[in-house]
Amino acid sequence: GENVEQHPSTLSVQEGDSAVIKCTYSDSASNYFPWYKQELGKRPQLIIDIRSNVGEKKDQRIAVTLNKTAKHFSLHITETQPEDSAVYFCAASKGGNKLVFGAGTILRVKS
Amino acid sequence: GAVVSQHPSRVICKSGTSVKIECRSLDFQATTMFWYRQFPKQSLMLMATSNEGSKATYEQGVEKDKFLINHASLTLSTLTVTSAHPEDSSFYICSAVPGSTSNEQFFGPGTRLTVL
Repeated sequence: GENVEQHPSTLSVQEGDSAVIKCTYSDSASNYFPWYKQELGKRPQLIIDIRSNVGEKKDQRIAVTLNKTAKHFSLHITETQPEDSAVYFCAASKGGNKLVFGAGTILRVKS
Repeated sequence: GAVVSQHPSRVICKSGTSVKIECRSLDFQATTMFWYRQFPKQSLMLMATSNEGSKATYEQGVEKDKFLINHASLTLSTLTVTSAHPEDSSFYICSAVPGSTSNEQFFGPGTRLTVL
């Protein structure tokens, strides 16, 4: 089955700097890659997603890139703010909506 | 739009009792709902896929007789943890998909289960 690896497990950045989180997946049939932000005790919130027919997608300070050949995708957050501090999860799906999640990255933005 | 609710938000029960958690899609119909379990500082692990009108599909290692899932309507799925034990204490989260062509899952707020 699908396996999603996520790195780093923790990431500390200074306010205003950029943060990059990387994920790799194993199943080449996966075609949908969402990123979620989860605050402590809360539900995961979709922040951006990308489908396999697109290489890059951007929404204000957040962008995602996908390399299908290498089977990896990355989340980029620019101009980080303290409110960006949370746990971020990548996930992969190959239809049927079933998501396989990465282990998560704790992002700390220091002001 | 696309709001999913869960009830209860928190529950504390004694070991050996059963607990039912409800997941509702409030403003859309969901033919498919998913149940996840999340232990502290860990990722979401899919437990089962709940399909309206049919039996749930359980992930490997998840006991279907212990975690009973009923998808009674297009807006309601329930998870019953039977004979709960302290190791079942976790954060249980459901998600729902609005329609067969959408990839996006909408998550409920989660239920914190503590088994004493």
